[in-house]
Amino acid sequence: GEDVEQSLFLSVREGDSSVINCTYTDSSSTYLYWYKQEPGAGLQLLTYIFSNMDMKQDQRLTVLLNKKDKHLSLRIADTQTGDSAIYFCAEWGARDTDKLIFGTGTRLQVFP
Amino acid sequence: EPEVTQTPSHQVTQMGQEVILRCVPISNHLYFYWYRQILGQKVEFLVSFYNNEISEKSEIFDDQFSVERPDGSNFTLKIRSTKLEDSAMYFCASIPGQGAKMETQYFGPGTRLLVL
Repeated sequence: GEDVEQSLFLSVREGDSSVINCTYTDSSSTYLYWYKQEPGAGLQLLTYIFSNMDMKQDQRLTVLLNKKDKHLSLRIADTQTGDSAIYFCAEWGARDTDKLIFGTGTRLQVFP
Repeated sequence: EPEVTQTPSHQVTQMGQEVILRCVPISNHLYFYWYRQILGQKVEFLVSFYNNEISEKSEIFDDQFSVERPDGSNFTLKIRSTKLEDSAMYFCASIPGQGAKMETQYFGPGTRLLVL
């Protein structure tokens, strides 16, 4: 199947870390991505990780990939109110297809 | 930084009417995509396009849908006879695809289509 699952909501206090989780089903995926979508807006690529990596850090963002468990996470350090948005994980390259398969999205709410 | 653009940003149409959504991908990109997002739902793949032909399409992309790259610049999605359930945000995307496929799909800002 092509299901990419995420929890629906996450609420954190400003300054805390946020961890958004994603599980995917196809171990042949080549790249895994995190996109951010603000209300009424388009998709902003935040970061991505190649499937042979375990971790990638980019400023406040840390991506962890557990390929054995098909689990991807995005950690946002020092979460700010501007981080409030919907976060989508997506996989690409599964079964030699070139489409992105998106997760269900996690709505992150940051409160002061 | 180059970006994918889409027009219009919003379109309202009557059920049964034809609509054309326009995209201008990044100029040296070779692979083009359309995705849609029904309100409150996840982003779904519609179609990919390479070398002037469809390379892959989803089950959503039925005979009512077509894509075209009419002039080497624009990439269009046509819906021949819109249905209420076509109401969604439609995203265009492109990737360079030169040599080994590049890993990043660049998305446009989307066109919000409302079918009444």
